[in-house]
Amino acid sequence: QKEVEQDPGPLSVPEGAIVSLNCTYSNSAFQYFMWYRQYSRKGPELLMYTYSSGNKEDGRFTAQVDKSSKYISLFIRDSQPSDSATYLCAMTPHGGFKTIFGAGTRLFVKA
Amino acid sequence: EAQVTQNPRYLITVTGKKLTVTCSQNMNHEYMSWYRQDPGLGLRQIYYSMNVEVTDKGDVPEGYKVSRKEKRNFPLILESPSPNQTSLYFCASAEQFRGTATNEKLFFGSGTQLSVL
Repeated sequence: QKEVEQDPGPLSVPEGAIVSLNCTYSNSAFQYFMWYRQYSRKGPELLMYTYSSGNKEDGRFTAQVDKSSKYISLFIRDSQPSDSATYLCAMTPHGGFKTIFGAGTRLFVKA
Repeated sequence: EAQVTQNPRYLITVTGKKLTVTCSQNMNHEYMSWYRQDPGLGLRQIYYSMNVEVTDKGDVPEGYKVSRKEKRNFPLILESPSPNQTSLYFCASAEQFRGTATNEKLFFGSGTQLSVL
């Protein structure tokens, strides 16, 4: 079993839709949770960062962490064609020296 | 401009021919790391370096070597490449990485697509 599970998609939505992306994990030591966005032929870039459980909002993006269920989510409101990319969840244990990444979900937002 | 630079972007080689992929960052970051990205498997860490002369294995280190002689450079060496090392490789850096969530944002290069025939 992988430490971090993420549905690879692809996920196709119309412009303006609310998008929900999710990951589950098995290691309860994970404390720091990130979402990276990766455009085609580019390296990943950090989109959202959350510590422990709770919500964090940044513009159209909201990250949620539910440590009791070992489940994290990224919501994109009013999705745009420019949001079309692969979204990777990532997590790090407290005191750990490496980040574990999910496989990534490919998102297509159609105009 | 703050960036992580990898070279080359594309590389086709043959089994057994030694190669080096270079990585350089201009942000004075302590931490650097190499990942490979394969469909369905996501990013897997090959090696990482906490600082100059300090390197350690990640999850998939077999067949790879690294060195960190200078803070800015972290080359990835494949002494005898094999077809199962065909992959998309990313170098990343962070200001520091101590598992305390301080300045641990990873900055990635644009990737190196390697094909081993």
